Amino acid sequence: AQSVTQLDSQVPVFEEAPVELRCNYSSSVSVYLFWYVQYPNQGLQLLLKYLSGSTLVKGINGFEAEFNKSQTSFHLRKPSVHISDTAEYFCAVSDLSGFPVKAAGNKLTFGGGTRVLVKP
Amino acid sequence: NAGVTQTPKFQVLKTGQSMTLQCAQDMNHEYMSWYRQDPGMGLRLIHYSVGAGITDQGEVPNGYNVSRSTTEDFPLRLLSAAPSQTSVYFCASSYSRGDQETQYFGPGTRLLVL
Repeated sequence: AQSVTQLDSQVPVFEEAPVELRCNYSSSVSVYLFWYVQYPNQGLQLLLKYLSGSTLVKGINGFEAEFNKSQTSFHLRKPSVHISDTAEYFCAVSDLSGFPVKAAGNKLTFGGGTRVLVKP
Repeated sequence: NAGVTQTPKFQVLKTGQSMTLQCAQDMNHEYMSWYRQDPGMGLRLIHYSVGAGITDQGEVPNGYNVSRSTTEDFPLRLLSAAPSQTSVYFCASSYSRGDQETQYFGPGTRLLVL
């Protein structure tokens, strides 16, 4: 079994300031890691993902995340936020065990979400 | 491509009624999933499918049935709706080849069970 904890339920931030959203996971097996964004009354959009390779992952809209295996974390960062970044952000993991091995994006365990409110 | 489509967008049911939430994708994706979203709990996996004719349970399958007779469609059935099933339901499809992942979520169906 795996779990995901997003340590902050809400993060207020001023426009053009940096933001970091924290995500920690637990799993007994190797995982894939994802960050999604949900704008009001919309579905989820993939921001970025870590499958393998470099631990620093760059995504869309200027976001990036760093995978830290020893700390089981996958924190999301943006150096300068815009009003349009106001949304809810979800961290998710997918383990590589079971059937089928490679259905990474199919069986996701999500964190509870972090609401980002960008203030002018 | 229309991507992932879900119907209806909004539905009100009475306790005990049945209904089917429709999900379709036109991208020939192998994998499809259903999630429910509840405040403070993120999304939780209900059922998923790795191909036509193959489905399996996720984290919260009780009260829901699925089938996958075609690659394109993955309907979610509520046989006897309960107020605890009031939620927003999202369907997703994905494609995986090696390290290449493509994934899309539908716009969601808001369900209110009275």
